[in-house]
Parts: sequence; C-alpha cells; structure tokens
Amino acid sequence: AQKITQTQPGMFVQEKEAVTLDCTYDTSDPSYGLFWYKQPSSGEMIFLIYQGSYDQQNATEGRYSLNFQKARKSANLVISASQLGDSAMYFCAMRGGFSGGYNKLIFGAGTRLAVHP
Amino acid sequence: DVKVTQSSRYLVKRTGEKVFLECVQDMDHENMFWYRQDPGLGLRLIYFSYDVKMKEKGDIPEGYSVSREKKERFSLILESASTNQTSMYLCASSLDSSYGYTFGSGTRLTVV
Repeated sequence: AQKITQTQPGMFVQEKEAVTLDCTYDTSDPSYGLFWYKQPSSGEMIFLIYQGSYDQQNATEGRYSLNFQKARKSANLVISASQLGDSAMYFCAMRGGFSGGYNKLIFGAGTRLAVHP
Repeated sequence: DVKVTQSSRYLVKRTGEKVFLECVQDMDHENMFWYRQDPGLGLRLIYFSYDVKMKEKGDIPEGYSVSREKKERFSLILESASTNQTSMYLCASSLDSSYGYTFGSGTRLTVV
C-alpha cells in the first residue's frame, strides 16, 4: 500500500532563516510523483512544487526546493529565507503509479509551520 | 487560471438529512476528486472520477456517493448525514497528474 508520512506535527522558524519539512513515502511503483501543498488559514490548497520519480535533479520553485532522496524514499521541502506569510499548514502528497491508482493523490497528515519575527 | 468552485463555504445539516456538496471546474479537466480533511489525518480521498459517469472509490467511501453527469460538475452525496461526517470537504480537479491538482476553497460541513 502507498503511504505518506510527515512526522513533524508542528515546526517553527525565525523569519529569514531556512526550514526543512520532512516527508517520507512508501510505494512499490517505479513511477510516481511527489507534491507539496501549502494551506494557509483561509483554507485553500496552494500547489508549491512537484518532483517526478525519474527526474534527475531536485525540483526548485523560487524559495522552495525539494530534497529528493530516492533510495531513502524521502522528499523533504526546504523553504529558504522564511517569511511571515509562510506560516501555514504544509502537506506532502504522492501520485501513485499504475498499480496505485495513477491519478489519485494521497496525502500526509501535514506539518504546521509558524514563522516568528 | 483553472477555477474549482464549491457551492457552499459553510453548511450545517441535521443528522439523517441527505446532503449534496457541489463542485464545478471550468477548464475541461478529465479528473475530479473529493477529499475530506480532518486534523491529524490530512486529506483522505473519498471518491474520484476520470470521466463523465465514471467513478472510483477512494480510501473512505462508506456513507458517501457521487455523481458526475457532466464533465465540469462532480457532486458528493451524503445519503444520511451523521455526526462523524462533520469535516472539511475539498474538491479538486486535474488534467495531467504531473501538473498537480487544483483545489476548491472547501466546504466546512457540520452535522448536528
């Protein structure tokens, strides 16, 4: 069965510092995709970054980067130069391969990030 | 921009009522999804659909059904609402799974 694990229920970071949010996954499919979403207090889910299982390089999108370690089955999100507006809930998600329901996303429990001034 | 619209932001229903949650997307996406979000559990998939009149059970389909009569609309139905269905419900759509999923703003349902 496919599974996403986020072991940090809450994290805090000082403004302008970097923070890493952990995510590990479990799948037997060779083809899969990993996503990170941000959910502010308003409730909408904002897509941040995507990493395909065959991508050779770690994905980056502005201040967000995904530290993809395939052998360890981890896909940690790194936020550089944290801003107050980064305070939110962050979800790691995986799109399964053909045996896991190709188009469906499964989510971790989430990590609540608080950025302190 | 793709827009996914959920008809209600907040709903309060009584136990035993039949409840309809509506979701409409405006970008001709093939795939649509219903999730429920509960603290400490993340988002859990209830049902999804990859085409009109097609539906697949997700991880927690019990107590729910869905309807997709038109490509742009995906409805979640609680046949007989119960208090344990009090939750945030999120609808999403996608064209290509590599590009992520666009979510609606959610419906917070309270069953009393």
